[in-house]
Amino acid sequence: ETGVTQTPRHLVMGMTNKKSLKCEQHLGHNAMYWYKQSAKKPLELMFVYNFKEQTENNSVPSRFSPECPNSSHLFLHLHTLQPEDSALYLCASSQVDIYQVAYGYTFGSGTRLTVV
Amino acid sequence: RKEVEQDPGPFNVPEGATVAFNCTYSNSASQSFFWYRQDCRKEPKLLMSVYSSGNEDGRFTAQLNRASQYISLLIRDSKLSDSATYLCVVNSPRAGGSYIPTFGRGTSLIVHP
Repeated sequence: ETGVTQTPRHLVMGMTNKKSLKCEQHLGHNAMYWYKQSAKKPLELMFVYNFKEQTENNSVPSRFSPECPNSSHLFLHLHTLQPEDSALYLCASSQVDIYQVAYGYTFGSGTRLTVV
Repeated sequence: RKEVEQDPGPFNVPEGATVAFNCTYSNSASQSFFWYRQDCRKEPKLLMSVYSSGNEDGRFTAQLNRASQYISLLIRDSKLSDSATYLCVVNSPRAGGSYIPTFGRGTSLIVHP
């Protein structure tokens, strides 16, 4: 496989469910990101991991819990979500330098999440 | 002022037209700029990086103006397949010296026959 792969592509979950989104990158990049894209809104950065360490949590509610076990895998654990959390969740990876400046981002196809 | 601003459009142009988009950013210490293209219900894909000297890729030209803090994208000889949303991305500095990517809300382009 090449690039950034995300699973599942679609997910419908109830407000009491617990589910996880998975992202895997095959590019040898050292940084990974979770973004949320809601209808008619810009991409919202949620979490950043550089070299497996979380370096950014953009005021995301605790019902979203990221996990980065290694530099190729990123998870987003979901629990007790709200209907307004329904959105497209995109994972991306990049190669960053020592100043954490990135040189392009490669996105996965996203998980379209619906909370009912 | 928002960190990264774009005119949402839509820009409605005929095939063959030349169209230009701008994107302004608020932090003068920003580094590393990009244009992405996003088709409906798809993920964003890198269109081109933006360098201080300007760069061209076929019908597409990107420019960076650090003094006025904006980047631009020029599309010549528009094709129907250019219809998409164009997102600008800026690496914005944070406390502690790190940078994070900030996306504009995108400019919608519709090319019609």
